[in-house]
Amino acid sequence: DTEVTQTPKHLVMGMTNKKSLKCEQHMGHRAMYWYKQKAKKPPELMFVYSYEKLSINESVPSRFSPECPNSSLLNLHLHALQPEDSALYLCASSQEPRSGSPYEQYFGPGTRLTVT
Amino acid sequence: SQQGEEDPQALSIQEGENATMNCSYKTSINNLQWYRQNSGRGLVHLILIRSNEREKHSGRLRVTLDTSKKSSSLLITASRAADTASYFCATASPSGAGSYQLTFGKGTKLSVIP
Repeated sequence: DTEVTQTPKHLVMGMTNKKSLKCEQHMGHRAMYWYKQKAKKPPELMFVYSYEKLSINESVPSRFSPECPNSSLLNLHLHALQPEDSALYLCASSQEPRSGSPYEQYFGPGTRLTVT
Repeated sequence: SQQGEEDPQALSIQEGENATMNCSYKTSINNLQWYRQNSGRGLVHLILIRSNEREKHSGRLRVTLDTSKKSSSLLITASRAADTASYFCATASPSGAGSYQLTFGKGTKLSVIP
């Protein structure tokens, strides 16, 4: 199984709502990632989890809160978002780098988020 | 911060022609990867080339890497309408504590006309 799944596919939320994005993989990957992608722009890294521990936080505002409950699941909790946070949120996973050599990443289809 | 810069930003070709996309980057890398993204969907990994490799092939794809010029190119031969997508290069660089991160270029939007 080389699939990364993300739910929901689409999400519309108000600025006072609390919602969560979910990501799941069953490839045994121990590195998982959240990216944000605005229209016609490349993905931008938000968070990296390595062995269920947060290893990189790219100065993301605290209204985005990641969580890695186990090695297969990754969540992104959303609270008090702004309209400019509307974007495609992509989850990815990969094997942990060995001998200093990072591997390719497998991406989910993304969650299209609209903040009203 | 974005490191890779693709060129051209958009490319339109006829089916059967070859498509070449270029990528330049700024800092040292461990490897460089190319991804494809169909409109509004997730990215699909195409090919990875390590910093000590100069050329790599995968099916109709050919990637070159010139670390002295900090540049890479992706060649798609005998293009098909199904190759229509955005193509991104991504550089893998260490980010401390044994972690690596991918930094994506701006991408090339390829349109293959049947």
